[in-house]
Amino acid sequence: DQQVKQNSPSLSVQEGRISILNCDYTNSMFDYFLWYKKYPAEGPTFLISISSIKDKNEDGRFTVFLNKSAKHLSLHIVPSQPGDSAVYFCAALQRDYGQNFVFGPGTRLSVLP
Amino acid sequence: NAGVTQTPKFRVLKTGQSMTLLCAQDMNHEYMYWYRQDPGMGLRLIHYSVGEGTTAKGEVPDGYNVSRLKKQNFLLGLESAAPSQTSVYFCASSVAGPPREQYFGPGTRLTVT
Repeated sequence: DQQVKQNSPSLSVQEGRISILNCDYTNSMFDYFLWYKKYPAEGPTFLISISSIKDKNEDGRFTVFLNKSAKHLSLHIVPSQPGDSAVYFCAALQRDYGQNFVFGPGTRLSVLP
Repeated sequence: NAGVTQTPKFRVLKTGQSMTLLCAQDMNHEYMYWYRQDPGMGLRLIHYSVGEGTTAKGEVPDGYNVSRLKKQNFLLGLESAAPSQTSVYFCASSVAGPPREQYFGPGTRLTVT
């Protein structure tokens, strides 16, 4: 049973508009969350993270929102650019349980010019 | 500064053969990880290491062994390859504490026939 879910396998948005990628988790002990972006034939690259003591973290065009009661987080990209087209992975960690990062299956974002 | 490198990039094995994947990082990171990525399943942690000479099991450790004899290297071994181990393998490294972001290598595509 997947502990981290990304229920949308793919998403298409117009350039300049907002992209919203969603992630749900089942383990209430997760207390740290990260988003990674992955281009084909490359390794994932880190985008942004958030601790469970916060409900929002912002870095440039990227904002992550965390709703602990709903066990839900989302990544907002504003404005979306064609170079943002990639697969986005959500990852979760329970910090007092070793380094067992759990990744979601990913969402493929396509930003259309 | 090469970051995280992986050797080889591609490999084809016959069932029952053995091989070792090499990961090297030049960022002086304490922690290193091995993941596998299969279609629709995101990245799953195989083993990780929090320092030279130490290793720990991740989510899917069976059929794999690892060693961390030097801080900069993390080896992943398959003693008797099986078709179920056909996957893309990613190595990553990170600092010991926050912000916990992982730096990934480019991946090794392994096919077991």
